[in-house]
Amino acid sequence: AQKITQTQPGMFVQEKEAVTLDCTYDTSDPSYGLFWYKQPSSGEMIFLIYQGSYDQQNATEGRYSLNFQKARKSANLVISASQLGDSAMYFCAMREGRTQGAQKLVFGQGTRLTINP
Amino acid sequence: GAVVSQHPSWVICKSGTSVKIECRSLDFQATTMFWYRQFPKQSLMLMATSNEGSKATYEQGVEKDKFLINHASLTLSTLTVTSAHPEDSSFYICSAPRDSHYEQYFGPGTRLTVT
Repeated sequence: AQKITQTQPGMFVQEKEAVTLDCTYDTSDPSYGLFWYKQPSSGEMIFLIYQGSYDQQNATEGRYSLNFQKARKSANLVISASQLGDSAMYFCAMREGRTQGAQKLVFGQGTRLTINP
Repeated sequence: GAVVSQHPSWVICKSGTSVKIECRSLDFQATTMFWYRQFPKQSLMLMATSNEGSKATYEQGVEKDKFLINHASLTLSTLTVTSAHPEDSSFYICSAPRDSHYEQYFGPGTRLTVT
């Protein structure tokens, strides 16, 4: 069964608009972590934001925020005031279990975001 | 932030030869490293978990004899693609979690092309 689902293969947004990238997950472990990574055409994976399953508040990092709806098992990424440099692939990923360091990540299929000028 | 390097960044090899890819954590020690493979326009798929001082753990469907992993020290893991074939052409990325940190630090990736 797919553990991480990103249903938007591609998104096109006008510069300066806000954009929401969807991510739903499936786990029976009460302890887990959710990540968003950005992958530009160079291929490097850039960490954007993290949400732990026990975190009370939604995570925010600058223009990035994570809309965490635990009951719905969704962890959508919101990018405010999009910029041309935001054009890239975006991956949602999940870590299961309590150990913070040495747990593998499971990735979603990715969403290609294109920002139009 | 923590830095993970990979070498080489790209490599072209002939079918039947072996290729070694290095993954180094530059400013922290990593007892565990992960190796991922990414085909064009697809997501990252975990190949194996590299453990310092012990054998690697391979994901289902990954041939351990073809993808040899050696975690030689607390800062170095190597992936050797043996007897490479064109279907092994892919983007290989390693990551290393720093203990007590939730974030995993990814290397810049290695693009392998087998002709």
